[in-house]
Amino acid sequence: QVQLQESGPGLVNPSGTLSLTCTVSGDSVTGSNWWNWVRQAPGKGLEWIGEIYHGGRTDYNPSLESRLSISMDASKNQFSLRLTSVTAADTAVYYCARDRNYGDSTWAFDVWGQGAMVTVS
Amino acid sequence: EIVLTQSPGTLSLSPGERATLSCRASQTVSNKYLVWYQQKPGQAPRVLIYGASSRATGIPDRFSGSGSGTDFTLTISRLEPEDFAVYYCQHYGSALWTFGQGTKVEIK
Repeated sequence: QVQLQESGPGLVNPSGTLSLTCTVSGDSVTGSNWWNWVRQAPGKGLEWIGEIYHGGRTDYNPSLESRLSISMDASKNQFSLRLTSVTAADTAVYYCARDRNYGDSTWAFDVWGQGAMVTVS
Repeated sequence: EIVLTQSPGTLSLSPGERATLSCRASQTVSNKYLVWYQQKPGQAPRVLIYGASSRATGIPDRFSGSGSGTDFTLTISRLEPEDFAVYYCQHYGSALWTFGQGTKVEIK
């Protein structure tokens, strides 16, 4: 059974750096899937942040790209999010998710972490 | 950048009724990258449909997806009490995933 677990500080100072780690169990981050971050501001919809594939390939949301870095530590089977210069607008629940290849070029986020609430204040 | 517009914003229905949710893309998109999720309060989203029409593992057959081009639909044939939730469509294109703003299905 594949499980993802987010971890990191729940409170970040304005202008500071938000750092979260997703620990993967039951699958390898060096496999054939992409690994994603998604966030959800209180009472709002889902916002895709970015993704990483083993070997270091990344895709980022253009609206966050200048402040964003996603990395992977294969030895710990983890991937991480780093968002700099945060403001209150970055307050959200942050989810990590596996982007699974279902075959025939179809993909979807099939496993999600429980989410980590991060408040910028 | 493709924009996904979901309608209606809120759908008020009774258990047993049929729900029809719309997701419209700002330009033609590939069916292969169109996904639907369900999210309940306090929970992470759950994948329902991928490739516009394929049900994910464990999803009941009362959920179905259809559409092509710019117009996609999620249909719940007969609403069960556990189906009242928020539904999101999602698309991948040009190295970017995009979500619609969501449709809330509430009990009438």
